[in-house]
Amino acid sequence: AQKITQTQPGMFVQEKEAVTLDCTYDTSDQSYGLFWYKQPSSGEMIFLIYQGSYDEQNATEGRYSLNFQKARKSANLVISASQLGDSAMYFCAMREILQGAQKLVFGQGTRLTINP
Amino acid sequence: ETGVTQSPTHLIKTRGQQVTLRCSSQSGHNTVSWYQQALGQGPQFIFQYYREEENGRGNFPPRFSGLQFPNYSSELNVNALELDDSALYLCASSLSLAGGYNEQFFGPGTRLTVL
Repeated sequence: AQKITQTQPGMFVQEKEAVTLDCTYDTSDQSYGLFWYKQPSSGEMIFLIYQGSYDEQNATEGRYSLNFQKARKSANLVISASQLGDSAMYFCAMREILQGAQKLVFGQGTRLTINP
Repeated sequence: ETGVTQSPTHLIKTRGQQVTLRCSSQSGHNTVSWYQQALGQGPQFIFQYYREEENGRGNFPPRFSGLQFPNYSSELNVNALELDDSALYLCASSLSLAGGYNEQFFGPGTRLTVL
């Protein structure tokens, strides 16, 4: 079974600085997908970025980029020029097939706080 | 195009009671997944419904059950509530197509408190 590990319970960053949120994963599959979600205090999980295991380039979406190091089994999220609205919980997740269902396996999350 | 909606927003129950949570999937989606998120944890997969049938279940006891209706909306039922059932319950809808990944769109969740 897939496993996601996020070792940073909390991160504090000054506004406009870049921040890296760590994520390592464990899987025996050759083909897999990695996701990052943002969860504000309202509770909704907001999709940020996706990286496929066979994608040759690191994924980017606006201020979000994914530092994918396959040999190290890491998929760190980089947020450039952080904003106050980036304060939220961030979850790394991996797709897993279970009995025909496509489900997401999530890590424990990192709480990011942006200071003005 | 309307997004995923869930009701109620908050709910308080006592141990032993039963609860029903509801989810309306995004327009055009045919699959609904339910997740339980305990405080300070990542979401855990409960089960998934596709075309009104359960097609995958996580490590949750049978007192967690669900339904999917012809319009693809869904219900999560929990019987004999326990204190540990207190959590945020998230519903996610997707369009299941053969092959590839079916992106899941999450609703705002229902926060259940069991006293």
